[in-house]
Formats: sequence, structure tokens, C-alpha cells
Amino acid sequence: DQQVKQNSPSLSVQEGRISILNCDYTNSMFDYFLWYKKYPAEGPTFLISISSIKDKNEDGRFTVFLNKSAKHLSLHIVPSQPGDSAVYFCAASENDYKLSFGAGTTVTVRA
Amino acid sequence: DAGITQSPRHKVTETGTPVTLRCHQTENHRYMYWYRQDPGHGLRLIHYSYGVKDTDKGEVSDGYSVSRSKTEDFLLTLESATSSQTSVYFCAAGPKGEVDYGYTFGSGTRLTVV
Repeated sequence: DQQVKQNSPSLSVQEGRISILNCDYTNSMFDYFLWYKKYPAEGPTFLISISSIKDKNEDGRFTVFLNKSAKHLSLHIVPSQPGDSAVYFCAASENDYKLSFGAGTTVTVRA
Repeated sequence: DAGITQSPRHKVTETGTPVTLRCHQTENHRYMYWYRQDPGHGLRLIHYSYGVKDTDKGEVSDGYSVSRSKTEDFLLTLESATSSQTSVYFCAAGPKGEVDYGYTFGSGTRLTVV
């Protein structure tokens, strides 16, 4: 059973607007969460992470929010740019050096 | 990332044949991983290694074996390939640091079993 769920397979957003990607998890033992970005024919690349002791982490245009009580995290991209068009994977770890991934959300940024 | 090299990049093989995929890292990471990517499933862990000759199963390990004889090399073997093993396989290594658990991925191997 998938412990990390990304329920929106795709998201379309206009250039310059905010992209919000959501991720839910079922395992309360997860203590670290990561977002990866993947372009076609390339491997995933690390984007941003957050530990369970925080509720927000920001890196430039990317901000991740964590709501532990709801077992929910989100990635905000502001402003969205054409180069942000990619597949985004949410991942989580129990502090055991293994990552569990969601199914991914394909983001398309429209000009 | 130039630190992780996978070979081959593409392979077509017949059902029932053995196949070995290779992963080479130049970053001296202790941990290495093999994932497969399939539509609707994201990335699923097949096997991982926490040191030379130390390996363990992931969530989809049936039909796969691994070996790690050197820190830099991690091999994934499909003992007898089946059509259900048609997928894109990614190798990863890391973490980059003690706190961010960021892993570096290779560019992937697209395997087709006919």
C-alpha cells in the first residue's frame, strides 16, 4: 500500500501564477520529507526538503509546508516559470535512509 | 548528475533472459539504491545497499537481485526477465548530508522485455 500519495496527476498553471502541489502520507513515523523534480529522459533531481520539526522551509521560489497533524505537505512555486514544467515527486523517510515516493504530479506552465 | 552513471541507457531483451544493469558513482556515498518508475506508481524501491556486500530488499524486490563488491558499483540483475519488468530503472546514491537526506539519481535505464 502506497504510504505517500499525490492525488493530483497533473496541474496546469499560467506563467507567473502560483503552483501548489499537494502530498499526503499515512506513516506517522516519517520524519523527513523531500520534493524531487524530473524532466523527461532525465533522473529526478532534489528540489527542497523539510524535517518533521519544522512546518515551513523556503528556498527561493520554492516553499514547502508541512502539517503533521493532517499528514499533509504542499509545495508552492511562486512565480511559476516555463522551466518549471516537469514531474514533481513527493518523498518521505523514516530516518532509515530509504525514501518512499508518491506517484508524481505533472506540472505544465502555460505562457 | 555526472556523479552517477547508469549503463546501458536503453535495452531490449527477450522474456526469460538474464539482464544486468550497472550503476557507478564517483561520490563515495555509503548508500546506493535501485528504483523502478512506472506510470501511476512513481518510484518504487527494489533493493538498496548500505555498504560493500551489505544489501537489503525494498518493496518490489521479487525477481531481482543485487550485488555491491565495491563502494562505487551497484549491480541490479533480473534473473529471468518478464514483461512486467519493462520499466525505467533509476540508480541513486546518498545522502548528500546528514540532515537533508537528498539523494543523487542517475539518468535511468529504459528496459523493454519482449
